[in-house]
Amino acid sequence: DAGVIQSPRHEVTEMGQEVTLRCKPISGHDYLFWYRQTMMRGLELLIYFNNNVPIDDSGMPEDRFSAKMPNASFSTLKIQPSEPRDSAVYFCASSVYGQVNTGELFFGEGSRLTVL
Amino acid sequence: QKEVEQNSGPLSVPEGAIASLNCTYSDRGSQSFFWYRQYSGKSPELIMSIYSNGDKEDGRFTAQLNKASQYVSLLIRDSQPSDSATYLCAVNSPHNFNKFYFGSGTKLNVKP
Repeated sequence: DAGVIQSPRHEVTEMGQEVTLRCKPISGHDYLFWYRQTMMRGLELLIYFNNNVPIDDSGMPEDRFSAKMPNASFSTLKIQPSEPRDSAVYFCASSVYGQVNTGELFFGEGSRLTVL
Repeated sequence: QKEVEQNSGPLSVPEGAIASLNCTYSDRGSQSFFWYRQYSGKSPELIMSIYSNGDKEDGRFTAQLNKASQYVSLLIRDSQPSDSATYLCAVNSPHNFNKFYFGSGTKLNVKP
């Protein structure tokens, strides 16, 4: 089975532009997580879904960030408008009930975002 | 105070030596503790989990947990250059076992 697939792998955009990051979880996984990684703040959980429903979005920095999961095989993270401080690597991870709480998160390769 | 603290390193050890990586956490209610390895430019991958005080061994890796001191460590015996990576410590939220707090990671360099 393919792993978690993220796109784009790299995105360079200008401040104020809208950015959409996409994620396809592993088939059969019912948990999906969006993380952001920076040198300063490390790996931070932004939001996670269970069965396509957002469960905890307390890590979403502000209203400029939004995430959706319209079905079990697709999720998006949108930033509008983008700012230079949003520059980071954004990881999507998926897991399945019974493995989530044992730390078995399957990460995608990440989307590196640079906002100029 | 951050939920998980790690020394950013880099920690340099010669090949064949023992590498010792350390982590402290702030919430006494955390029950599950994890070590992830992240190669440069790659995504994190789980290498060890520990839930009880004491040691847990898996091949060349040993995880150690001391809940009284709120301290987790990872020992890598017979370090190899292929172990060179950033090691992330993670703990679960006591209020939501599906939510993990990650440290910023310790960069390990194993020199041939």
